[in-house]
Amino acid sequence: QKEVEQDPGPLSVPEGAIVSLNCTYSNSAFQYFMWYRQYSRKGPELLMYTYSSGNKEDGRFTAQVDKSSKYISLFIRDSQPSDSATYLCAEGKGAQKLVFGQGTRLTINP
Amino acid sequence: DVKVTQSSRYLVKRTGEKVFLECVQDMDHENMFWYRQDPGLGLRLIYFSYDVKMKEKGDIPEGYSVSREKKERFSLILESASTNQTSMYLCASSFPGGSLQPQHFGDGTRLSIL
Repeated sequence: QKEVEQDPGPLSVPEGAIVSLNCTYSNSAFQYFMWYRQYSRKGPELLMYTYSSGNKEDGRFTAQVDKSSKYISLFIRDSQPSDSATYLCAEGKGAQKLVFGQGTRLTINP
Repeated sequence: DVKVTQSSRYLVKRTGEKVFLECVQDMDHENMFWYRQDPGLGLRLIYFSYDVKMKEKGDIPEGYSVSREKKERFSLILESASTNQTSMYLCASSFPGGSLQPQHFGDGTRLSIL
């Protein structure tokens, strides 16, 4: 079993829809949770970062962590075509390296 | 803004060649990383370095080596390239603190081994 599981999609939604992206993880020692966004032909860039259960908002983006279920989510409100990208979750613990999910490819259709 | 620069965007090499991928960062980060990214497999860590001349194996180090002679530069070496090393290679850097610190990525080198 992979430490981090993420549905690779692809996921295609109309502009303005609420998007939900999800990851599950198996290692209960993970303490840090990140979402990276990767545009085509570019490197991943950090989008959201949290280390506690609950919700964290940044504009149209909300990161949600449920440590009891080992489940993390990224919600995008009022989705825009410019949100079309691959979204990668990443988890880490202490001094150890990050573990990345496979990435979900998202397309927002105008 | 952090800038991580990878020397080539696209590279085509032949099997058996020794291949060098170069990465430079300008933020004085101690940590540097090399990943490969393949469809369905996500990012897999090849090697990382937490200081000059220091290196640690990641999850898939076989067939690769690295060099870090200067803090800002981290090189990935394919000793004898094989077709299964055709992939997107991503370099990243961060401050120390393990997974507490976010990693900053370059735009990748798409390597094809023929």
